[in-house]
Amino acid sequence: GAGVSQSPSNKVTEKGKDVELRCDPISGHTALYWYRQSLGQGLEFLIYFQGNSAPDKSGLPSDRFSAERTGGSVSTLTIQRTQQEDSAVYLCASSPSWGRVRETQYFGPGTRLLVL
Amino acid sequence: GENVEQHPSTLSVQEGDSAVIKCTYSDSASNYFPWYKQELGKRPQLIIDIRSNVGEKKDQRIAVTLNKTAKHFSLHITETQPEDSAVYFCAASIGGSQGNLIFGKGTKLSVKP
Repeated sequence: GAGVSQSPSNKVTEKGKDVELRCDPISGHTALYWYRQSLGQGLEFLIYFQGNSAPDKSGLPSDRFSAERTGGSVSTLTIQRTQQEDSAVYLCASSPSWGRVRETQYFGPGTRLLVL
Repeated sequence: GENVEQHPSTLSVQEGDSAVIKCTYSDSASNYFPWYKQELGKRPQLIIDIRSNVGEKKDQRIAVTLNKTAKHFSLHITETQPEDSAVYFCAASIGGSQGNLIFGKGTKLSVKP
């Protein structure tokens, strides 16, 4: 079946502009995660949605970052007033809420963001 | 807060040799430990995982061991091949989070032919 998809695959923007990154999780997956990966670095957790529960926003680096998940499916990560240090690959992952491997996260291809 | 330490950060081996990557975790409630492989420019992919009720798990050339008492787990790759070259991430479930993981910082493995 279809995996996690993200759009756009690449985004170039100017400092100070807002950007929206989209994630389409695997159908039926109730959990959705956003990570940031800077060049050659690890996975920095940003935010986590689980079903109808309040999201875990503990990883968001500043109030310029926000995320929504509409209808328990598609999610949008918004970065306002982008800064050059926001340049990174933004990865989305989803996981099911059933079975023994409910924690297994399936990653999307990422959105490569470059802030000039 | 919870933490996962991963070592080494880089590892270079000759083709055919074994590679071992080690991780330690801090949350005693962690009960799920996956390993992800990320090739250059690609998404992380799950390669093997282990739960806390098991001490070892194997899948062909890959094995993972878990020591709950010491709170550490390791990835073992035998008979390494050049296509094993990638960045490997360990992770541990955050107790009580119903699914969230905390990741190590990754190990860049290079297998020289």
